[in-house]
Amino acid sequence: QQQVKQSPQSLIVQKGGISIINCAYENTAFDYFPWYQQFPGKGPALLIAIRPDVSEKKEGRFTISFNKSAKQFSLHIMDSQPGDSATYFCAASKAAGNKLTFGGGTRVLVKP
Amino acid sequence: DAGVIQSPRHEVTEMGQEVTLRCKPISGHNSLFWYRQTMMRGLELLIYFNNNVPIDDSGMPEDRFSAKMPNASFSTLKIQPSEPRDSAVYFCASSVFGTGNSPLHFGNGTRLTVT
Repeated sequence: QQQVKQSPQSLIVQKGGISIINCAYENTAFDYFPWYQQFPGKGPALLIAIRPDVSEKKEGRFTISFNKSAKQFSLHIMDSQPGDSATYFCAASKAAGNKLTFGGGTRVLVKP
Repeated sequence: DAGVIQSPRHEVTEMGQEVTLRCKPISGHNSLFWYRQTMMRGLELLIYFNNNVPIDDSGMPEDRFSAKMPNASFSTLKIQPSEPRDSAVYFCASSVFGTGNSPLHFGNGTRLTVT
């Protein structure tokens, strides 16, 4: 059972453009939704996280939007830069620090 | 903060051999997780420990896999005997359990190739 579904699998965006990645979850017990960024040869690293009591969280060029009723959340990367080229994973857990269930990942390529 | 340290970074072995992967979590972290990453299955949780005690090993694929955490600063994941389908990148991650605010910190993984 795939509890967190992520789309698209890959996307290409021009420098300065907006990258949008979507995730949907099934388990209503989840209450912590982080996004991780992974560069080749490295482990995933926390980018930004949200809890369901807020509908949006912004950190620099990265924004999470959360829709609790639809059980969906998304990552927006504004003004995308070549250095943002990486694989992005959404995830969910019952609490921060608890075991994470990951989406399938989205490979983002930002063209200069 | 040295981060989560995994060794070796790369391991190439022949089918049937025993493989041991090692992990040193961040000091002060009391939860430790082993994940496996493949193209086909993405990031899968294999097992996790709280305070050195295994809590959930339902992701361990079969009896050939075993994990131990003898103390708060060391864990191993062992595969015996190894098979080609075990080829993957294995990640260890740690966090502080119970605070509700501590994210998972991942190591840089061990790339395992079984020929």
